Amino acid sequence: SQQGEEDPQALSIQEGENATMNCSYKTSINNLQWYRQNSGRGLVHLILIRSNEREKHSGRLRVTLDTSKKSSSLLITASRAADTASYFCATDEGAQKLVFGQGTRLTINP
Amino acid sequence: DAGITQSPRHKVTETGTPVTLRCHQTENHRYMYWYRQDPGHGLRLIHYSYGVKDTDKGEVSDGYSVSRSKTEDFLLTLESATSSQTSVYFCAISPSGSPLVQYFGPGTRLTVT
Repeated sequence: SQQGEEDPQALSIQEGENATMNCSYKTSINNLQWYRQNSGRGLVHLILIRSNEREKHSGRLRVTLDTSKKSSSLLITASRAADTASYFCATDEGAQKLVFGQGTRLTINP
Repeated sequence: DAGITQSPRHKVTETGTPVTLRCHQTENHRYMYWYRQDPGHGLRLIHYSYGVKDTDKGEVSDGYSVSRSKTEDFLLTLESATSSQTSVYFCAISPSGSPLVQYFGPGTRLTVT
């Protein structure tokens, strides 16, 4: 069963704006990760936040984690056309497996 | 996609025929995974391997089998393909140790007619 549920399913913004997508999950986790998938390609790991962390930054990416609400958000600042992709959260519950959400499809309009 | 290849990249086959997809890595990573990706379902784990000859089932393993006789190769077999197995299949690898981060291959698009 899906662990991460992402919201919104699709997001369209103008270049230069910020994009925020959210992920909710159901059980205890070791960490939560975000991946990007460009059309027709495999997923690429973006950023990982551990269960004892609340916020993490990597370049234009900012991830937050609220374990009490079992939710995470990914913020992409100053979006670019190249950020157009699908974004997936994945939760690590242990047992050497990740559980992926259904993804948010992000479109950056020029 | 560095260090991970999948073959074939595209395949069209008929219902009832056996199909084998291959995942090959050059990273010597311990863990290997097969996922399928379908619209509205995200990525779903089919089978995974935690070492040579060590495999386990994932969320959607019915109709699929796997084998790993060498560290670098992980094979996914559809014994008798059905139209419901039309999908894009991704292989992923992960080194041992924590945290678990996965690296994905380019995918195989399989169509069962």
